[in-house]
Amino acid sequence: EAGVAQSPRYKIIEKRQSVAFWCNPISGHATLYWYQQILGQGPKLLIQFQNNGVVDDSQLPKDRFSAERLKGVDSTLKIQPAKLEDSAVYLCASSFFTTNEKLFFGSGTQLSVL
Amino acid sequence: QKEVEQDPGPLSVPEGAIVSLNCTYSNSAFQYFMWYRQYSRKGPELLMYTYSSGNKEDGRFTAQVDKSSKYISLFIRDSQPSDSATYLCAMSALDSNYQLIWGAGTKLIIKP
Repeated sequence: EAGVAQSPRYKIIEKRQSVAFWCNPISGHATLYWYQQILGQGPKLLIQFQNNGVVDDSQLPKDRFSAERLKGVDSTLKIQPAKLEDSAVYLCASSFFTTNEKLFFGSGTQLSVL
Repeated sequence: QKEVEQDPGPLSVPEGAIVSLNCTYSNSAFQYFMWYRQYSRKGPELLMYTYSSGNKEDGRFTAQVDKSSKYISLFIRDSQPSDSATYLCAMSALDSNYQLIWGAGTKLIIKP
């Protein structure tokens, strides 16, 4: 079974630039998550999709972050404009369940904002 | 006070030792408890999943939940250098739509 695919693995940008991350979940997983993980901290949920719909985006900084899930499969997360404090690992996860059991994570994108 | 507290470590033990990793929490509504393992530059990987109280064993790993004390533990027997990683606890409750609340993770180092 193929895992959750994410790209790119690393990205370095300057503040005020824009950046986009891509995620392809495990086939058949209806629930998709984007997390932000700052070094030394647990993952912080940014947005959760159930198929095409948004279940929870309460912690997404909507003035600069946006996300979409195309046709209930792939997803992109965008930051525009980036700030220094956005430096983190952005993790995508997917789950077959709707009750947040058994999340499968990708390897993440390491973002450095200079 | 954070909803879930976890000692960041690092915890360094010799190979073969029994390791005990712990989390405390404040929300008595939590019903589902998970342990994830995260290797450097990788995403977290689910190790153990427990509902409500009690113990669950899987190979060298045992997860324990004590709801009366709001305390969960992960035990690793016969620890190996390959167990060196960060261990994250996570928990959820029905009344918050199962949103996962994560600990900050404990870094574990197993010395050969």
